[in-house]
Amino acid sequence: EVQLVQSGAEVKKPGESLRISCQGSGYSFTSYWISWVRQMPGKGLEWMGRIDPSDSYTNYSPSFQGHVTISADKSISTAYLQWSSLKASDTAMYYCARQDSGSFYYWGQGTLVTVSS
Amino acid sequence: DIQMTQSPSTLSASVGDRVTITCRASQSISSWLAWYQQKPGKAPKLLIYKASSLESGVPSRFSGSGSGTEFTLTISSLQPDDFATYYCQQYNSYSRLTFGGGTKVEIK
Repeated sequence: EVQLVQSGAEVKKPGESLRISCQGSGYSFTSYWISWVRQMPGKGLEWMGRIDPSDSYTNYSPSFQGHVTISADKSISTAYLQWSSLKASDTAMYYCARQDSGSFYYWGQGTLVTVSS
Repeated sequence: DIQMTQSPSTLSASVGDRVTITCRASQSISSWLAWYQQKPGKAPKLLIYKASSLESGVPSRFSGSGSGTEFTLTISSLQPDDFATYYCQQYNSYSRLTFGGGTKVEIK
């Protein structure tokens, strides 16, 4: 059974760093790209970027380029989304999803990130 | 980047109604479009891919059509389980994906 399991909810202060994770199982992790999707409270879905776990090549949406870093460790079938300095506007639910061609059938359960002083 | 515009943003309908949601792309995306259903507190669920291909296990009352820049998602007879928010997503370029703004289907 294919599963994407994300790390738990986080509460952080502005300016702090954070890395959240997404572990894949039940399939060959290096055979499919992983994307990250943001959903701010009460808002729609925003594609942030993707990584090819086989070589860690990344693409970012222009809206997120330079604000986050996507990485992966194929030895443990895990992708990451990282911030070096969080802002209150980063408060959102973050989903990882396996990219099957261009669409997403498998999703993680979501990680809620709350940034508040 | 390709912009995706969904309409309406909110739709009020009754059980049994035929419902149509429209998604327009800012440039041609051929048939590289997917539709998702999202319920509160849950991850999105893939309904349709490649504009009109029904994902396995999705009820046949859901259908998708269109190509180029104009696409529709139709629910032929709205059921209680269908009250949710629906999103389109283009994948004309696998490295530059975008979602529509969403359509919330509410009980009339």
